[in-house]
Amino acid sequence: DVHLVESGGGLVQPGGSLRLSCAASGFTFRDYRMDWVRQAAGKGLEFVSRVNYDGSSIIYADSVKGRFTISRDNANNMLYLQMNSLRAEDTAIYYCVRVDVVVAARLFYYMDVWGQGTTVAVSS
Amino acid sequence: DIQMTQFPSSLSATIGDRVTITCRASQAISNYISWYQQRPGKAPNLLIYAAVNLQSGVPSRFSGSGSGTDYTLTISSLQPEDLATYYCHQSYSTPQGTFGQGTKLEI
Repeated sequence: DVHLVESGGGLVQPGGSLRLSCAASGFTFRDYRMDWVRQAAGKGLEFVSRVNYDGSSIIYADSVKGRFTISRDNANNMLYLQMNSLRAEDTAIYYCVRVDVVVAARLFYYMDVWGQGTTVAVSS
Repeated sequence: DIQMTQFPSSLSATIGDRVTITCRASQAISNYISWYQQRPGKAPNLLIYAAVNLQSGVPSRFSGSGSGTDYTLTISSLQPEDLATYYCHQSYSTPQGTFGQGTKLEI
């Protein structure tokens, strides 16, 4: 079975830092791009960041650019999100997501496996 | 960026009903759309990708259709476990794409 298990969430003060981890199993981790997607309470889904197979290509949402850093360890099947300078608006459930792709005229990306999420609360 | 507008934002239906949820893109997205189901308190789950392809393990009562700017998720015969919020997502404009705002389905 394919599994993604997040950890590292918690309560942190504004301006603080937190590092989220995601343990992947049941598939060849290095063959997939990976995302972090978040969801504030009662709100919709928001893309946070994506890393390609080997970490050489990374994209961020404008809302986290310069504050968050995504990385991966293919040897240990782990995905990370280092979150610095946290703000109240970063409060959300953070999901680790596997990204698959359909090769067409242009690449079609879709999120085919989701972890159960880890909760981040930024408050004084 | 391309905006995705889902409608209705919420709906109430009865077991056995045929339910349709629509997502309208602000420009044509050439079938670069996927649909997700999020049951209360749970993580999202992929239902449909590339507009019409049913993800493995998803019941056949779910189907997707559409073209250009307008896409539809259909549940042919609503079941109790279909109580959820449904999201569309386009990835035509950028690799990360954009999500619709969600449609809450009540039974």
